[in-house]
Amino acid sequence: QKEVEQDPGPLSVPEGAIVSLNCTYSNSAFQYFMWYRQYSRKGPELLMYTYSSGNKEDGRFTAQVDKSSKYISLFIRDSQPSDSATYLCAMMDSSYKLIFGSGTRLLVRP
Amino acid sequence: DAGVIQSPRHEVTEMGQEVTLRCKPISGHNSLFWYRQTMMRGLELLIYFNNNVPIDDSGMPEDRFSAKMPNASFSTLKIQPSEPRDSAVYFCASSFGRQSVLTNSPLHFGNGTRLTVT
Repeated sequence: QKEVEQDPGPLSVPEGAIVSLNCTYSNSAFQYFMWYRQYSRKGPELLMYTYSSGNKEDGRFTAQVDKSSKYISLFIRDSQPSDSATYLCAMMDSSYKLIFGSGTRLLVRP
Repeated sequence: DAGVIQSPRHEVTEMGQEVTLRCKPISGHNSLFWYRQTMMRGLELLIYFNNNVPIDDSGMPEDRFSAKMPNASFSTLKIQPSEPRDSAVYFCASSFGRQSVLTNSPLHFGNGTRLTVT
């Protein structure tokens, strides 16, 4: 079993829809939770990060962490075609090592 | 700032050949990471340098892989001899500080080298 599980998709939604992306994990030592966005033929870029449980909002994006369920989510409101990309969750314990999910491919149709 | 620069962008080589991938981290960053991305395994950490010193190479698949960082502005990842199963996208990333999130310095990725070994 992988430490971090993520549905690969693809997830196809119409423009303006609310998107929900999720990851589950098995290592209870993870304390830092991140979402990276990766456009085609580009490197991943950090979108949001949270520490421990709770919610964090940044514009149209909301990251949610539920440590009791070992489940994290990224919500995108009013999705745009420019949001079409692969979204990777990533997690870290107290060390430097980031463990990535395999990524969910999102397509927002105009 | 030009970001993390990797070369070449694409590399096609035959099995058994030596492959060298190059990376120039962001100026001022003292942590450098090499990752490999495949459909099957996602993004995997291969090796981590801090202040030019290899700290953790436990992700390096086998002895055919080696990495060096001769100075703060340059790193190489070498595969010798290459095999078809090494085909992947190889990313270099850099940050300031050992724990990039705690120091509020996110990991910056290059655009990768797509390696195909036939």
